[in-house]
Amino acid sequence: DPKIIQKPKYLVAVTGSEKILICEQYLGHNAMYWYRQSAKKPLEFMFSYSYQKLMDNQTASSRFQPQSSKKNHLDLQITALKPDDSATYFCASSQGGLGESETLYFGSGTRLTVL
Amino acid sequence: SQLAEENSWALSVHEGESVTVNCSYKTSITALQWYRQKSGKGPAQLILIRSNEREKRNGRLRATLDTSSQSSSLSITATRCEDTAVYFCATDASSGSWQLIFGSGTQLTVMP
Repeated sequence: DPKIIQKPKYLVAVTGSEKILICEQYLGHNAMYWYRQSAKKPLEFMFSYSYQKLMDNQTASSRFQPQSSKKNHLDLQITALKPDDSATYFCASSQGGLGESETLYFGSGTRLTVL
Repeated sequence: SQLAEENSWALSVHEGESVTVNCSYKTSITALQWYRQKSGKGPAQLILIRSNEREKRNGRLRATLDTSSQSSSLSITATRCEDTAVYFCATDASSGSWQLIFGSGTQLTVMP
């Protein structure tokens, strides 16, 4: 059984719309992350959260907003979608924080296509 | 530019052969990690090697770390078709950082 659940697996959106990507982890981890992967860029760090607190943010655009309602839940809201946002978005988790050089466990991703 | 970068964009070998993927990094690190990503899946960690370690093994995998040259290698022996994947090295952005930064990856193809 997958321990990190990302929904939906595939998502098609129109330019200018808003979507929410869902992530839940059942590993009992304290930290969660979002990464983006596109044909143009390698795995690109976006956000890190620990105990529902934002720890690091490398996403310049405020159109990307993580939302954490529970410790094991980290959604990603994307507003005013653009074709350049088309990518696979991966959620990940770790037992502790990366400052301790922890292993990241990844979900299987949500592939977003913006038309 | 990336903090860590694999030295080859793509490699191909035949089943049973050995292969090495190399990685160079730019900052002092607490640890370097190797991940593998198969098509349609998220990355999965293979080995974490800390800065005070020179070598680490995991089955057919062997990672080395040379902090003086800021480089690492991942060797796979007796390759199998299922080893076909993209291999990434990754390091913390800085000491105490909450970012794990990945290289661009090396596509390894193992042919029958």
